[in-house]
Amino acid sequence: QTVVTQEPSFSVSPGGTVTLTCGLSSGSVSAAYYPSWYQQTPGQPPRTLIYGTYTRSSGVPDRFSGSILGNKAALTITGAQADDESDYYCMLYLGSAIMMFGGGTKLTVL
Amino acid sequence: VQLLESGGGLVQPGGSLRLSCVASGFSFDTYAMNWVRQAPGKALERVSDTTSSGYNTYSADSVKGRFTFSRDNSKNTLYLQMNTLRVDDTAVYYCARRAWNSWYFDLWGRGTLVTVSS
Repeated sequence: QTVVTQEPSFSVSPGGTVTLTCGLSSGSVSAAYYPSWYQQTPGQPPRTLIYGTYTRSSGVPDRFSGSILGNKAALTITGAQADDESDYYCMLYLGSAIMMFGGGTKLTVL
Repeated sequence: VQLLESGGGLVQPGGSLRLSCVASGFSFDTYAMNWVRQAPGKALERVSDTTSSGYNTYSADSVKGRFTFSRDNSKNTLYLQMNTLRVDDTAVYYCARRAWNSWYFDLWGRGTLVTVSS
């Protein structure tokens, strides 16, 4: 059973840079897995940030960027702000119409 | 452009519930639609994918045989029929649009809460 892995939690100082990653329990993540990233604050639906590894959704600030780092997909926040404190979920396309979320990363800005 | 879910509520274990998701502001019949759920304090879980025509549906193993998925393109509505509900089906159920010819979600509803409890 394939599992999409994310760091459970991360913290960053205001103005700092943080990179969250998204991996696979077996194997490497590449652009072929079409990584996407979602931001969610408590009580709200997810918001789409990044799709197709690199592309920002409409209205997403350019301090959010996506990439492949080594064998994982990555979401980097440059110049973190207080309202970036959220849960972040990645999702990978595993083929055969299967799309799977990771367990999410709780980001604290302090 | 929006998605609006309805039909959530409190139901006893073993019971049934039907959720609806009404789409507006876009050509509903050209998009695959999904249900994504989130149990309290837990991660997102993709439950189903229904193609634009409704002919093909993917469903997660956790709901196979209990949940059925359908859509009525004439009513711009996606449905989720949940039967034999279990306590661990308790979650907020989101309707999500899969981006055209792609593998990510580009539009989300606000969700509807389903609570399974005796």
